[in-house]
Amino acid sequence: ELKVEQNPLFLSMQEGKNYTIYCNYSTTSDRLYWYRQDPGKSLESLFVLLSNGAVKQEGRLMASLDTKARLSTLHITAAVHDLSATYFCAVLSRGGGGADGLTFGKGTHLIIQP
Amino acid sequence: DTGVSQDPRHKITKRGQNVTFRCDPISEHNRLYWYRQTLGQGPEFLTYFQNEAQLEKSRLLSDRFSAERPKGSFSTLEIQRTEQGDSAMYLCASSLGRENEKLFFGSGTQLSVL
Repeated sequence: ELKVEQNPLFLSMQEGKNYTIYCNYSTTSDRLYWYRQDPGKSLESLFVLLSNGAVKQEGRLMASLDTKARLSTLHITAAVHDLSATYFCAVLSRGGGGADGLTFGKGTHLIIQP
Repeated sequence: DTGVSQDPRHKITKRGQNVTFRCDPISEHNRLYWYRQTLGQGPEFLTYFQNEAQLEKSRLLSDRFSAERPKGSFSTLEIQRTEQGDSAMYLCASSLGRENEKLFFGSGTQLSVL
């Protein structure tokens, strides 16, 4: 059974600082997603990572994937308050019918303080 | 493109009652997914449709749950004889069904079973 673990689960940081969220998963997968969720809202797709060594950047967020280590990171550079949200990583787990069920981590609740 | 639409946004019901939720995916998307999210957790995969065919069900989907997508467009998720443990946010997502693509999530239906 695929397990996805995020670390940390809660993070409070100051504006302007850098930090990294880690996502470990237990079995081989060929797709990893990062999502953002604001309170009471749905999930917004941030990144899709497909191959070992993949790196994607959008604004102050950068995601990377190491499939050998089964590890993805989401790095935040010079954080701003607007990035406060819960961040989820999700890993593709293929079912018997070939379905693309995503297994999500528990999420990292990020608070960025002025 | 109005995004993935879910109805209702909130549902309060008494234990033992039946409830039905509706999801309208993005119009050209042929894949539709249902997930469940409880407070402080990541979404959990429930089931998946490719057009009108239900291709995968999670073991989380007990026999009290049934999902349909009769014409390959909108989908319904019914819960019979609701229990307090069914209280959660029910999220619908859709995708084009191509490789390496994002899932687009709706805003969810928040179910409270009293």
